[in-house]
Amino acid sequence: DSGVTQTPKHLITATGQRVTLRCSPRSGDLSVYWYQQSLDQGLQFLIQYYNGEERAKGNILERFSAQQFPDLHSELNLSSLELGDSALYFCASSRPGSHYGYTFGSGTRLTVV
Amino acid sequence: AQKITQTQPGMFVQEKEAVTLDCTYDTSDPSYGLFWYKQPSSGEMIFLIYQGSYDQQNATEGRYSLNFQKARKSANLVISASQLGDSAMYFCAMREGNNAGNMLTFGGGTRLMVKP
Repeated sequence: DSGVTQTPKHLITATGQRVTLRCSPRSGDLSVYWYQQSLDQGLQFLIQYYNGEERAKGNILERFSAQQFPDLHSELNLSSLELGDSALYFCASSRPGSHYGYTFGSGTRLTVV
Repeated sequence: AQKITQTQPGMFVQEKEAVTLDCTYDTSDPSYGLFWYKQPSSGEMIFLIYQGSYDQQNATEGRYSLNFQKARKSANLVISASQLGDSAMYFCAMREGNNAGNMLTFGGGTRLMVKP
C-alpha cells in the first residue's frame, strides 16, 4: 500500500455520463496531482491542488474539473464522457520540504462504452 | 517542445544482461529533479531512482543506476543483470524547481521486454 488511496479501481460507464474519481493522499502530503494515461501513452498532467487551492493546470479539458477538500482528499469530476476519455487516471501526492517523494495511487481505470 | 523525450518505444534484452534506457530532457531551470518509474502490466507506478540537478554523483539504487550527463541533458537508466520481472514500461520524469510541490512531467515511456 503506497499510502495514496484511489477509488474506484475500475469504472465502466456510457458516453455522455458523469463520473467522480476520488483520491486520498498520503498522510502529511499537501499536494495532490491528477494524471491521465491513455492506452500505451505516457502520463499527461491534468491538475494539481495544494492545501485546498489549485496550484497548476495542465491539459485538462473543460468537461473535467477537480477540487481538494479541507481533509485534503481530492475528487476529479469527468462529465459528458466520450470514448476517448477511456484511460487510467492516477492521483499522486507529495509534501513540501522533500526533494522527492511523489507517491502514486494504484489508479482508476475508466472505460467509456 | 517536448520536455522529456524517450526515443526507444520498445526494447528487448537478454536475461542477466545490462540494458540502458534513454532519456533526454529540456529545461532552463538550473534546479530540477529527474525520476524513473516502472509500470508493470498491473498498472501501478513504482518509483525507481532519483537524480537532483546539483547532485555530484550518479544515483544508484540496487540494480538501477542513472547515467546523468548534465551538459547533454540526458538521464539514462541502466539496469544491470536484467530479470524477467523487469519486463515493464519505464518512464522518465522531470520536476522543475527544487520543491516537491511542483508537478512531474513524463516522457512517453519505453517498453522493456526481458527474454529468458
